[in-house]
Amino acid sequence: AQTVTQSQPEMSVQEAETVTLSCTYDTSESDYYLFWYKQPPSRQMILVIRQEAYKQQNATENRFSVNFQKAAKSFSLKISDSQLGDAAMYFCAYAPNFGNEKLTFGTGTRLTIIP
Amino acid sequence: DGGITQSPKYLFRKEGQNVTLSCEQNLNHDAMYWYRQDPGQGLRLIYYSQIVNDFQKGDIAEGYSVSREKKESFPLTVTSAQKNPTAFYLCASSIRTGALNTEAFFGQGTRLTVV
Repeated sequence: AQTVTQSQPEMSVQEAETVTLSCTYDTSESDYYLFWYKQPPSRQMILVIRQEAYKQQNATENRFSVNFQKAAKSFSLKISDSQLGDAAMYFCAYAPNFGNEKLTFGTGTRLTIIP
Repeated sequence: DGGITQSPKYLFRKEGQNVTLSCEQNLNHDAMYWYRQDPGQGLRLIYYSQIVNDFQKGDIAEGYSVSREKKESFPLTVTSAQKNPTAFYLCASSIRTGALNTEAFFGQGTRLTVV
């Protein structure tokens, strides 16, 4: 069974600074997808960024980027120029490419932005 | 506007009662999912449906039931057999029955409390 581990229950960062959230996963598959979701206080889950395992290039979405290390099974999220609106729970998630396509989530990292 | 609507936002249940959580989507998505979120844990999959009139158990299906009679609707019933139903429930959908390589859209959730 696939597992997703987020070892940082809480993180904080000064506004305008950069922060990196860690995620590791375990799978025997070679083809899969990885995601970072954001859950603000409204509790609405919002997709932040997505990475296809077959792509070597790290995904980037504006201030959000990932460091995908397939051999190490590591998938960290870097938030640059942190803003107050970035404060939220962040969940790392894994989904296989074929077959039983269910998202497996990590336990989340609560990110606090310090003004 | 297109999206997923969950209702009610808050629900209270007496012990021994069944309750049904509503999830409706107008995105024309084939696949729909129910997740449970507890404090300190990630989202756990209860049930998912890839097509009308078909659904599969997720990781924690015991004490829950679902139906998929219409493409846009995927209600979840929390039965009296669920020993610890107090939790936050999230419904999601994705565009097709293949891999979740497209964005999964989430509803705003239902907070269920047993009184």
